[in-house]
Amino acid sequence: AQKVTQAQTEISVVEKEDVTLDCVYETRDTTYYLFWYKQPPSGELVFLIRRNSFDEQNEISGRYSWNFQKSTSSFNFTITASQVVDSAVYFCALLLYNQGGKLIFGQGTELSVKP
Amino acid sequence: DVKVTQSSRYLVKRTGEKVFLECVQDMDHENMFWYRQDPGLGLRLIYFSYDVKMKEKGDIPEGYSVSREKKERFSLILESASTNQTSMYLCASVGGSGVRYEQYFGPGTRLTVT
Repeated sequence: AQKVTQAQTEISVVEKEDVTLDCVYETRDTTYYLFWYKQPPSGELVFLIRRNSFDEQNEISGRYSWNFQKSTSSFNFTITASQVVDSAVYFCALLLYNQGGKLIFGQGTELSVKP
Repeated sequence: DVKVTQSSRYLVKRTGEKVFLECVQDMDHENMFWYRQDPGLGLRLIYFSYDVKMKEKGDIPEGYSVSREKKERFSLILESASTNQTSMYLCASVGGSGVRYEQYFGPGTRLTVT
């Protein structure tokens, strides 16, 4: 079965706190991609990162960092020194390369950063 | 820098109306997708298309149909809109291969059926 689980439905933090959003995926495919998207109140999905299944290097982009671990099938997302503008719904998604790019989404984590 | 566009950001329709949601991509991608998003359910795949005139059912195709007459355009059709189809609809386009695999979403259409 192909599945993405974001166990945290809602997270609330105070500005400048660090926060980690969890993502666990299931697939038997050997070639796949993992994505994180941000969805602000406007509704548009904003692409944050893409990782393919052969690249387990962690990545840092400014205050954002991602930890990809195939051994635990996890692709967690950390925001360092959170800001009010980080408030949004965040989606983790699994793209199935051998199925034409079908995306399987987690249910999303709503992050609220309070001043 | 426009990549995927959707015909409307907001749409209000009455129950029983036939509704067309249009999606256009300018990247010459073969694969296009329609998803709907509902609170607590994430995004779910309605239909997808691998090529012109080809279509495949996704996870929730009931009540919908699609049309792909040209490579750049993928239309979602609600034959007889119902209130349970009130939702956010997102179109996606996928292309490339290997490390060049790319995927883009349109801005979404918030459809309200009254």
